[in-house]
Parts: sequence; structure tokens; C-alpha cells
Amino acid sequence: KNQVEQSPQSLIILEGKNCTLQCNYTVSPFSNLRWYKQDTGRGPVSLTIMTFSENTKSNGRYTATLDADTKQSSLHITASQLSDSASYICVVSAYSGGGADGLTFGKGTHLIIQP
Amino acid sequence: DGGITQSPKYLFRKEGQNVTLSCEQNLNHDAMYWYRQDPGQGLRLIYYSQIVNDFQKGDIAEGYSVSREKKESFPLTVTSAQKNPTAFYLCASSINRGANYGYTFGSGTRLTVV
Repeated sequence: KNQVEQSPQSLIILEGKNCTLQCNYTVSPFSNLRWYKQDTGRGPVSLTIMTFSENTKSNGRYTATLDADTKQSSLHITASQLSDSASYICVVSAYSGGGADGLTFGKGTHLIIQP
Repeated sequence: DGGITQSPKYLFRKEGQNVTLSCEQNLNHDAMYWYRQDPGQGLRLIYYSQIVNDFQKGDIAEGYSVSREKKESFPLTVTSAQKNPTAFYLCASSINRGANYGYTFGSGTRLTVV
């Protein structure tokens, strides 16, 4: 069964600090891995999409890494800001399996940035 | 600006009522999706549509119905058969259905049973 596990479940850090969120998956055949940011009461917004051949992708202060061999991904946030407070969702896409749309969603990491 | 619009933002349903959630996109995307989000759980697929007048059940379709009469619109009806409808509902679209296409999400509708 395809699965996506995210850790930690929640995280509190001080403004200006860095943090790293983890995503482990058992999805095959792997197509791509996506990170989304979801503000409370809003829809998810795409941060990065990485295919099998990409191991790093950046979007401003967000940097995602992918190790397709160990089936692990991380999202690193640099110099955190109060606006980074949100849930971060890891989504893995398969060419078959997963949900009917080929996607398997993680439960998300709830990040709180304190001033 | 292109985007995907969901309405209403908040919706209250009485026991035994059917309610319809609206989803409209002007991105010229062929594929549209409905997801349900519950606290502490990943998004779960309710229905999806690849083209006009065609739609397929997702993983949790029971108690829901959809239509796709126009490319831009994909409304979701939560019927009285859905016994636990209180949740956050998200609509999404993509250029086409397939593993490589990124999704654009709407802002969601929060449905509460009263």
C-alpha cells in the first residue's frame, strides 16, 4: 500500500531560525514529489515539484531535497518568518496506485513561528 | 487573473438536507477534483473529472454526487446519505489528469452539520 509519512507532526520555532521537515514515502512506481503550504482555512499552494532525477529544488527561502534511493524528502525553511506559520503537506505521485488520481497525501506538519 | 474559486466559504447543513458546493476555474484546465480534509488526516479524493460530461469516483465517493456540464465548473453535492459530512472541502484542477501535472487548489469550503 502506498504511504507518505511526515515528521514531526507539529513544530514550534522562533522567528528567524531555520527548520527542516521530513517526508518518507513508500510509493511506486514513483513519478514526482510535491510540497504544498496550507495556511489555516485556505487551500494548499504548491512550493516545489521534483521528479526522480532532481535531488534539490528551491523556491525562495524554501529548499526541498529528494533522495529517491532511500525514498526520503525534506523541506528546509531558512530564516523563518511569521508568515511561514502553516501546515506543510508532502504529496507523492505514482504512475499507478495511490488514490484514484495517483496521489498519496501526507498528513502534514503543522509549523508555528513564534516572534 | 486565472484561478479556481470555491463558494461559499462556510456552509451549514441541517440533518437530511442536500447541499451543493460550487467550484469554478478559468485556467482552461481539463481535469478537476474534489477532496475532503479532516483534522489529522491527509486529503482524500471524492470525485474527479477528466473532461466535460465525464467523471469518476474517488476513494470516498459514497454520499456525494457531482456533475461536469461545463469545462469551467465542477459542483459537488453532499447528499443526506453522507452520514458524517462535517469537513473542509477542497476543489482542485490540473491541465490534464496524470501523474506529472501540478494542481491548483481553491480556497476551500467548510461544511458544518447543525
